[in-house]
Amino acid sequence: AQSVTQLGSHVSVSEGALVLLRCNYSSSVPPYLFWYVQYPNQGLQLLLKYTTGATLVKGINGFEAEFKKSETSFHLTKPSAHMSDAAEYFCAVSDSPNNAGNMLTFGGGTRLMVKP
Amino acid sequence: NAGVTQTPKFRILKIGQSMTLQCTQDMNHNYMYWYRQDPGMGLKLIYYSVGAGITDKGEVPNGYNVSRSTTEDFPLRLELAAPSQTSVYFCASSAKGVHSSGNTIYFGEGSWLTVV
Repeated sequence: AQSVTQLGSHVSVSEGALVLLRCNYSSSVPPYLFWYVQYPNQGLQLLLKYTTGATLVKGINGFEAEFKKSETSFHLTKPSAHMSDAAEYFCAVSDSPNNAGNMLTFGGGTRLMVKP
Repeated sequence: NAGVTQTPKFRILKIGQSMTLQCTQDMNHNYMYWYRQDPGMGLKLIYYSVGAGITDKGEVPNGYNVSRSTTEDFPLRLELAAPSQTSVYFCASSAKGVHSSGNTIYFGEGSWLTVV
């Protein structure tokens, strides 16, 4: 069974500082990995995803994530935080291209707070 | 551009009551999903559908039912509401399965349900 662990339910950074949100997964087969962002009272929005190919994936709003198979990690980073980045971020995994359930397993989320 | 629309946005139910959460999408997507989000937790898949007339269980289907009579609509029914069903419910849709290259899942804004 697949699972996702996001270290730190709350992360606080200063505006302009590096953002690092951690995600580790477990999967018995090569995973497909996703990061979603959720702004208050809104649904989830896809930031980026890794399926195959280049392990460094660039997404919207200046975010990127690197798939590291040896570490079973898919950490999300952004070089310089902006106030508008304050939101909840979810890492998700899907472990089989033939998964007819199209099931995403989500981590518990990390709330990012950005201080002025 | 409506996207995925859910109603109602807020609802309070008494134990044992029934209700239907409505979901409609105007993007002609084949795939539709219902997730629930509990505090501090990631989203869990309740039911999904890969096309009109086809539905299947997700990770947490007990206590819920769905139908998919049209491409646009995917209602979620709670037959006998229980306090454990207090949650935020998200409907989502996508053109393809989660693994398909270039695919994006679009989420509604959520429905807050409280069972007392």
